[in-house]
Amino acid sequence: AQTVTQSQPEMSVQEAETVTLSCTYDTSENNYYLFWYKQPPSRQMILVIRQEAYKQQNATENRFSVNFQKAAKSFSLKISDSQLGDTAMYFCASRSINAGKSTFGDGTTLTVKP
Amino acid sequence: NAGVTQTPKFQVLKTGQSMTLQCAQDMNHEYMSWYRQDPGMGLRLIHYSVGAGITDQGEVPNGYNVSRSTTEDFPLRLLSAAPSQTSVYFCASSRAGGAETQYFGPGTRLLVL
Repeated sequence: AQTVTQSQPEMSVQEAETVTLSCTYDTSENNYYLFWYKQPPSRQMILVIRQEAYKQQNATENRFSVNFQKAAKSFSLKISDSQLGDTAMYFCASRSINAGKSTFGDGTTLTVKP
Repeated sequence: NAGVTQTPKFQVLKTGQSMTLQCAQDMNHEYMSWYRQDPGMGLRLIHYSVGAGITDQGEVPNGYNVSRSTTEDFPLRLLSAAPSQTSVYFCASSRAGGAETQYFGPGTRLLVL
């Protein structure tokens, strides 16, 4: 079984500053994938970034990067140069390598203030 | 290319009624899933399918049935609606394999009175 925990229900950041969202997970599998999704007020789920657990190098995608600590089962998301459009709920998720099952955390609501 | 579509967008049911939430994708994806999202919470997996004719239960399957007769369609059936099933339902699809990005539909908001 997989579990995903996001310990920060709400966070805020000033525009242009940097913010880090935390995520810890637990899994009995040796290989898996980790994801961050964004859900703006429109409710549409949008993939932000993806990390393959067997890769040590942290994934980056423009202003978004992750700090993946496999031994600690930690997978945080860093947003640099925050923009008003980053205001959304952010979900951390894990997924088995072969199965179609994903497990999501309860989300962190991020507000970017002008 | 419409992606993942869901109908209806919003539905009100009375306790005990049954209904089917429709989900279709036009990307020829093998994997499809149904999630529910309760207020202030993450997505919880109801049922999923790794191909036509193959389905399996997720975390919260009770009260729901699925079938997958074609690659494109993955309907979710509520057998006898209960107020505890009031939620937003999301369908998602992806290519085979855990690395693949899931594409989500716009969601169906269900209110059970």
